[in-house]
Amino acid sequence: QVQLQESGPGLVKPAATLSLTCSVSGGSISNYYWSWVRQPPGKGLEWIGCIYYSGSTNYNPSLKSRVTMSVDTSKNQFSLRLNSVTAADTAVYYCARGKPLLPYWGQGTLVTVSS
Amino acid sequence: QSVLTQPPSVSAAPGQKVTISCSGSSSNIGNNYVSWYRHLPGTAPKLLIYDNVKRSSGIPDRFSGSKSATSATLGITGLQTGDEADYYCGTWDSSLSAGVFGGGTKLTVL
Repeated sequence: QVQLQESGPGLVKPAATLSLTCSVSGGSISNYYWSWVRQPPGKGLEWIGCIYYSGSTNYNPSLKSRVTMSVDTSKNQFSLRLNSVTAADTAVYYCARGKPLLPYWGQGTLVTVSS
Repeated sequence: QSVLTQPPSVSAAPGQKVTISCSGSSSNIGNNYVSWYRHLPGTAPKLLIYDNVKRSSGIPDRFSGSKSATSATLGITGLQTGDEADYYCGTWDSSLSAGVFGGGTKLTVL
């Protein structure tokens, strides 16, 4: 069974860069798309973007200027970087397998943007 | 504002049936498969329906999906208190080249 686990700082300062990593176990990262989704407090799910194991990406147009995704097949991990964060980026961030069908999800990690 | 439109909330009594709608456009629902997810706060979203009508592994046949033109519907019969959750539709938007979700619907089983 594929399992995903997000990791990274739970607190990020305004204007800084949010960095998260998703570790994949129980299966190879190869030959799949991998996505990031977030949920701000009290709001719905927002698709951030996805990356293919080969490195090609699709990003949410509203976040595209600030988002970078990467993949490390040797570590079976993929990562998210979101720069110039504000309080509006405070959310639970989920990693998931697929695009846009998401059958496997991580448990999510809360990232708070605050000084 | 979400690209896909869902009602904010629906409710019904235990044992009854409820439907949740998801409205979009030709660039998303009209030309792409729709998925449905159940989400409880603090947990990972769970895939219920994919490819418009197919149930994910382990999902009982109380859950069903349908699609017509630019709208999709999730149906739940034999409602149980354990079905209370937030439900989201999702698909690909070919114009945006991005995944999109509905705003979510909170199901209350009275």
